[in-house]
Amino acid sequence: GEDVEQSLFLSVREGDSSVINCTYTDSSSTYLYWYKQEPGAGLQLLTYIFSNMDMKQDQRLTVLLNKKDKHLSLRIADTQTGDSAIYFCAESMKDKLVFGAGTILRVKS
Amino acid sequence: DTGVSQDPRHKITKRGQNVTFRCDPISEHNRLYWYRQTLGQGPEFLTYFQNEAQLEKSRLLSDRFSAERPKGSFSTLEIQRTEQGDSAMYLCASSPVLGSGELFFGEGSRLTVL
Repeated sequence: GEDVEQSLFLSVREGDSSVINCTYTDSSSTYLYWYKQEPGAGLQLLTYIFSNMDMKQDQRLTVLLNKKDKHLSLRIADTQTGDSAIYFCAESMKDKLVFGAGTILRVKS
Repeated sequence: DTGVSQDPRHKITKRGQNVTFRCDPISEHNRLYWYRQTLGQGPEFLTYFQNEAQLEKSRLLSDRFSAERPKGSFSTLEIQRTEQGDSAMYLCASSPVLGSGELFFGEGSRLTVL
């Protein structure tokens, strides 16, 4: 999506932390989301954050939101080979979601 | 299985033929969305319904595309006179009206136009 930008590729070693970054443009977005897509499958919601929060933690996932810079990040602790997938950032815009192009996460064992 | 289901999962057709995809949303969800995803890209919004009303259509949805949700339950997406550029994954998603706005996606219908 032209309004949401992500880096294309990230490679990490198993056990390391992964940080995937995203910038968005609509400051009125109420929620921001992270989705995961495995090969040949649909999108699976990982987590979301309300726009008045700075951080949300959910087990191995930590979302950080910087509203001033319109920057969102997803940190995956202790990354596993099963985390290899494409990760999409999305912002809510007028009752629909606008997605970035996705970040391919490759986990090396 | 109470998730979003799509049918068929794969469709191969010749250019110029018509194709139709079906989506069955999660039963208590009022909103139903169609997105298109091409290789290396994120999902792009096509259209959405609230109950049986089609509330928004993207400019990506040319006049060869038509979507319906006649009884506010399942939806169909028809593409007439298919072109090679229509080859993509067509994703359906549903959501309740109230909530945090997250979409629940189906597995998608992959279209290949030869």
